[in-house]
Amino acid sequence: QVTLKESGPVLVKPTETLTLTCTVSGFSLSNARMGVSWIRQPPGKALEWLAHIFSNDEKSYSTSLKSRLTISKDTSKSQVVLTMTNMDPVDTATYYCARIRGGPFDIWGQGTMVTVSS
Amino acid sequence: EIVMTQSPATLSVSPGERATLSCRASQSVSSNLAWYQQKPGQAPRLLIYGASTRATGIPARFSGSGSGTEFTLTISSLQSEDFAVYYCQQYNNWPGTFGQGTKLEIK
Repeated sequence: QVTLKESGPVLVKPTETLTLTCTVSGFSLSNARMGVSWIRQPPGKALEWLAHIFSNDEKSYSTSLKSRLTISKDTSKSQVVLTMTNMDPVDTATYYCARIRGGPFDIWGQGTMVTVSS
Repeated sequence: EIVMTQSPATLSVSPGERATLSCRASQSVSSNLAWYQQKPGQAPRLLIYGASTRATGIPARFSGSGSGTEFTLTISSLQSEDFAVYYCQQYNNWPGTFGQGTKLEIK
């Protein structure tokens, strides 16, 4: 069974750096044509893709957030890590990781709600 | 960046009736289009990919069509569990942009 699970802080202060971890099981981060994306959703709003990383270590970032995001993976630990610097209250959202299999996001994690507040 | 526009924003339909949701891309995405269903408090679930292929375990009442810039998701006979928000997403060019969603509500 393929699963993804997000973990990280529930609350961060403005200007702090957010670090989120996606732990996957049921597949390997080294599988060809597979990758993991991070996607977020502010309360009551639409989905926003943030970044992805593929098995060959190819990475891509949201144009508007590129300067603040870093994505990496540890294949041996089955983890994908996203860091977002200089957090702001507008970054309050549920953050999801999802598997990319040949294009679409076929399996999603349950999401983790992050609130940015002093 | 490709902009995805969904219509309508809200669709009110009675159980048992057909629902038709639309998605338009600002430029061609070929058939690299997916539909997701999201229920309150849950993560999105992949319904359709490749514009018309149902994902594993998705009932046959869900169907997708279209290519290029115009796409449609049809739910042939609405069940109570189908009332949710639906998003389209293109994956022809990264970033893989989402539409703003269509809320399907009970009439």
